This record gives sequence, structure tokens and C-alpha cells, in this order.
Amino acid sequence: SQQGEEDPQALSIQEGENATMNCSYKTSINNLQWYRQNSGRGLVHLILIRSNEREKHSGRLRVTLDTSKKSSSLLITASRAADTASYFCATDAYKDSGGSNYKLTFGKGTLLTVNP
Amino acid sequence: DTEVTQTPKHLVMGMTNKKSLKCEQHMGHRAMYWYKQKAKKPPELMFVYSYEKLSINESVPSRFSPECPNSSLLNLHLHALQPEDSALYLCASSQVGLETQYFGPGTRLLVL
Repeated sequence: SQQGEEDPQALSIQEGENATMNCSYKTSINNLQWYRQNSGRGLVHLILIRSNEREKHSGRLRVTLDTSKKSSSLLITASRAADTASYFCATDAYKDSGGSNYKLTFGKGTLLTVNP
Repeated sequence: DTEVTQTPKHLVMGMTNKKSLKCEQHMGHRAMYWYKQKAKKPPELMFVYSYEKLSINESVPSRFSPECPNSSLLNLHLHALQPEDSALYLCASSQVGLETQYFGPGTRLLVL
């Protein structure tokens, strides 16, 4: 079942504007990550926020986490055409039976289009 | 080297064919993953290998057979696939016990 649900499903903005994407999840988590995927290619890790953190920054990215509301947001400031991609949140509430590896569950994703 | 490579990039196969997808990484990661992604959908986990041993199988049909011959390589053997198996197959790796995964560019599979 889908753990993360992104909102909106699609977002179209002009270059230079800010883009905000939201993610909601259903169960308790250890961490939440955001990944970017360019048109049918592999995913690239953007940022990880732990369950005891409320906000994290990385370059033009700002992620917030509200565990009481089971939600996270990703803000991309001063967007560029190169930011056009699908953005997925991923939660890792579960480990494998050996307790070693995280099982990521991805949300449905937000397709961001940045128009030049 | 922070790259995960996958071959081939594209694959077309008939339902009676046998083919293999390959994934390689040289980051020293001992956890490797296979995901399946349908168009406009998120990736779905298929298998996880940890220290070259299968640790998670997400109830994947037996027509998909994973193999991890060594710490750098991960294969996915395909046999008697169905058209609905057409998808982008993504490989990923991570350090054991760490959450961040590094993905390859994927193999786009079409089953006719």
C-alpha cells in the first residue's frame, strides 16, 4: 500500500518562482526522504529528514516534517528549468527481517514543470 | 565512483524468451535493491540483497529470479514474462543499515 501521498500531483510554475510539494503518510516513520526523477530515469536522493527533526535545508531545498500531522513539505526556491522532474517522498518505517536494511515506500509523486 | 550502472538500457522480449538485467556498483555498498516502476507510478520494491543474501522478496512472481553473484553485481533473470511486466526496472544500492539509496538509470523493458 502507498505510504506517502504527494500533493499536488502536478505543478507548473515559471522560472524563478518557488515550488512547494507536500507529502502525507499514514504510519510512524524513522525518516523521510525526498528523491527526484528526471523523465523515466533513475532517482536521485535530495534530502533526508529524521523523525526528531522539524526542518532541514540543503542549497535551494527546504524540507519540513510534522510528525503529529504525518506530513512533510519540500520547498524549492528560485526554481530553474533544470528542476523540471518528478519528486517523490519516501518513508522507511520498516526494516528487513534481519534488521539491517530499510524498505522504502514511495509516494505517488509530484510532477514539477518549470517554464523558462 | 558514485555511480550505479544498469545494462541494457532498453530490452524488448517475447513471452517465451529468457533474458537478464544487470546492475553494477563500485561504492562498496553491501545492500542492493530491485524496483519496478510503471509509467506515472512510484517505484515498487521487488527484492533486497544484504551481504549477497536475499533479505526481502516482496512476493514477486517466480518468473523474476534475482541473483547477487558478488558484492558489486546484481542480476535479475527474466523468464516467461507477461506484457503487464513491461516497466522500468531500477536497481539501487546503499550501505547496510543506512537509509539513502543510490539508483541506476534503469532498464526499460517491453514484453511483447
